[in-house]
Amino acid sequence: DPKIIQKPKYLVAVTGSEKILICEQYLGHNAMYWYRQSAKKPLEFMFSYSYQKLMDNQTASSRFQPQSSKKNHLDLQITALKPDDSATYFCASSQERGGTGQLYFGEGSKLTVL
Amino acid sequence: GEQVEQLPSSLIVQEGASVLINCSYTDSASVYFPWYKQEPGKRLQFIIDIRSNMERKQNQRLTLLFDKKTKHLSLHITATQPGDSAIYFCSASINNNRIFFGDGTQLVVKP
Repeated sequence: DPKIIQKPKYLVAVTGSEKILICEQYLGHNAMYWYRQSAKKPLEFMFSYSYQKLMDNQTASSRFQPQSSKKNHLDLQITALKPDDSATYFCASSQERGGTGQLYFGEGSKLTVL
Repeated sequence: GEQVEQLPSSLIVQEGASVLINCSYTDSASVYFPWYKQEPGKRLQFIIDIRSNMERKQNQRLTLLFDKKTKHLSLHITATQPGDSAIYFCSASINNNRIFFGDGTQLVVKP
């Protein structure tokens, strides 16, 4: 029974378009994250949020915008898509930011940009 | 920033064999080292972790060794089973805000 739900699981987009990746967690966690996994660079940290506030941003491009409408939601909006954005995007959560504890991952959203 | 390296990048073993996955990191401020397993098309799953004030941790067939002086970890898996086939990721964290992952070790256990 997945406690972190990512939607959609697969998506195909054309260059220049915009997509939103959805993430909801039902673990009662206060910290949420986005990671990207591609052939070029496995498991790259992108963003971390704590109590719906952005804590850390490792993504150079402003085309990637996380959005947290609720405590247990952290969506990822990607604009002006490029083929290099093709990757699997993983959402994760943890009990608290700043402590040390395991991350719980979603199943990922595999994005292909044509 | 922190850099995490894993070796080997892939391993193929016969069922029942033991395997060793090595991991090194660069930032001496890293204090927490979780390992994850990813089966094909599945989510990453936590398998074991160790903190910098420990040298060894065991969880059933998994043993994790940590050497703070050399900034090196090694994951030992004994009595491997086909179900252990997956990509194993070492990671390092100063705090949970940003966890740096290695490139992964693909393990294939043949029946």
